[in-house]
Amino acid sequence: GAGVSQSPSNKVTEKGKDVELRCDPISGHTALYWYRQRLGQGLEFLIYFQGNSAPDKSGLPSDRFSAERTGESVSTLTIQRTQQEDSAVYLCASRPAPGQGAFSSGNTIYFGEGSWLTVV
Amino acid sequence: AQSVAQPEDQVNVAEGNPLTVKCTYSVSGNPYLFWYVQYPNRGLQFLLKYITGDNLVKGSYGFEAEFNKSQTSFHLKKPSALVSDSALYFCAVRDPHASGGSYIPTFGRGTSLIVHP
Repeated sequence: GAGVSQSPSNKVTEKGKDVELRCDPISGHTALYWYRQRLGQGLEFLIYFQGNSAPDKSGLPSDRFSAERTGESVSTLTIQRTQQEDSAVYLCASRPAPGQGAFSSGNTIYFGEGSWLTVV
Repeated sequence: AQSVAQPEDQVNVAEGNPLTVKCTYSVSGNPYLFWYVQYPNRGLQFLLKYITGDNLVKGSYGFEAEFNKSQTSFHLKKPSALVSDSALYFCAVRDPHASGGSYIPTFGRGTSLIVHP
C-alpha cells in the first residue's frame, strides 16, 4: 500500500481484556517500530524490528505487552489484561532498508494513523 | 545516550507572522535530526530532516529548519504562518554512531503551535 496501515483505528475494551493491534508497513520497508502516545504526551518507544534480527524490546513497559513480526511483513502488538493506564494512541512506523550514503530514505521513518485504545 | 528537548509546550503566533518552534538535542557525535507534524486525530507526518551538509534544510509546506552545532539546536521555522499550520510538532534525534548502530529515534514531548487569524 501507499502508507503504513493500522487497525483497528479505534478500540474500546474493558479492563482485564486482551487486545491485538495490527500494523501493515509500507511494502519493502525492512524496519518497523511501535510507539505509544498518551493523551497530551510525547512519543514513547516500545519495540523495534529490523528484518530477521532479534527485536529491540527495551521500551516495552511490562510483560503484559508483546509484539510479533514475521519477516518484513505485518506486525501485531498484543496487550494482555489491559489496564486503564494503557489507554493511548499506539503508533506504528516503518523505514526502508539503510541505503548508501547519509541522504538515503533509509534514515526516515513513516508513521501510520495510529490505533486509539480506550480501556474502560 | 541521545535526547531531545522541546522547551515550549505551546507557541502562539498571528497569521502572516514568522514562526519558530524550538528544539535542542544531545548526542555523542553528529546527529540525524527530524521534524514531524501531527494534525488532530492523525498520525505523524514527516516534514524535514538534517543529515549532513547545508545547515538550512527546507521541507514540506514551506517549513525549514536550521541546524546549529554550537548551540545543539534544530529550530523549525516558517516565514509566514497560516492558520492551517496549527498542529502538534515533534522534533526527533538519532545518533548514527550509537553502539550497535541504533536506528531508534528519540522524540521530544511535542510543541503545540496555534496560529491565530
